[in-house]
Amino acid sequence: EAQVTQNPRYLITVTGKKLTVTCSQNMNHEYMSWYRQDPGLGLRQIYYSMNVEVTDKGDVPEGYKVSRKEKRNFPLILESPSPNQTSLYFCASSSSVLVQGRNHEQFFGPGTRLTVL
Amino acid sequence: QKEVEQDPGPLSVPEGAIVSLNCTYSNSAFQYFMWYRQYSRKGPELLMYTYSSGNKEDGRFTAQVDKSSKYISLFIRDSQPSDSATYLCAMSVYTGRRALTFGSGTRLQVQP
Repeated sequence: EAQVTQNPRYLITVTGKKLTVTCSQNMNHEYMSWYRQDPGLGLRQIYYSMNVEVTDKGDVPEGYKVSRKEKRNFPLILESPSPNQTSLYFCASSSSVLVQGRNHEQFFGPGTRLTVL
Repeated sequence: QKEVEQDPGPLSVPEGAIVSLNCTYSNSAFQYFMWYRQYSRKGPELLMYTYSSGNKEDGRFTAQVDKSSKYISLFIRDSQPSDSATYLCAMSVYTGRRALTFGSGTRLQVQP
């Protein structure tokens, strides 16, 4: 089954304790992205990756790091989490094959609910 | 002012009703318009996709884009309880970044 998986699904941690949220896709997609979803704000892009070893900042990158060493994996790293990073996080992927702009069709993972105390 | 405005609802309708969901936006560079459906505790899934202005129909769903008014709509005919979800509009410009700009979502409840 084609899918994007994220782990963990739920995480409660304390301020300053480094954590990593993993994301993996099995669709051989070149493009991957991280979003956070907050009430009243919708989803906002944190980081994205056009391909292996190519990453760049989205709209809200502060406090986050990413890496893309393999095509299928795109982990999100919080080096020193703070309470304002409490949110619902989604990983997404899409193909780079151009089909009348349908490369904008992004497939989302199930989400990771993070609470930072 | 947000780039994309969407009424958060909740919107409650009886089964079989026609549902109208709307978003307005301010960035005239947006070219791609999408509607995502998000069930509770799930990730968003693409429902409808439209490039530029016009209508697009898929089964019980119709998406409309009016670029002159910067207004997009999603109509759901013969609504079902299984349509109960949060509906997110999203839009983007054609760049490598492919960032989707989302509305905040409208929660829809279809009563049996």
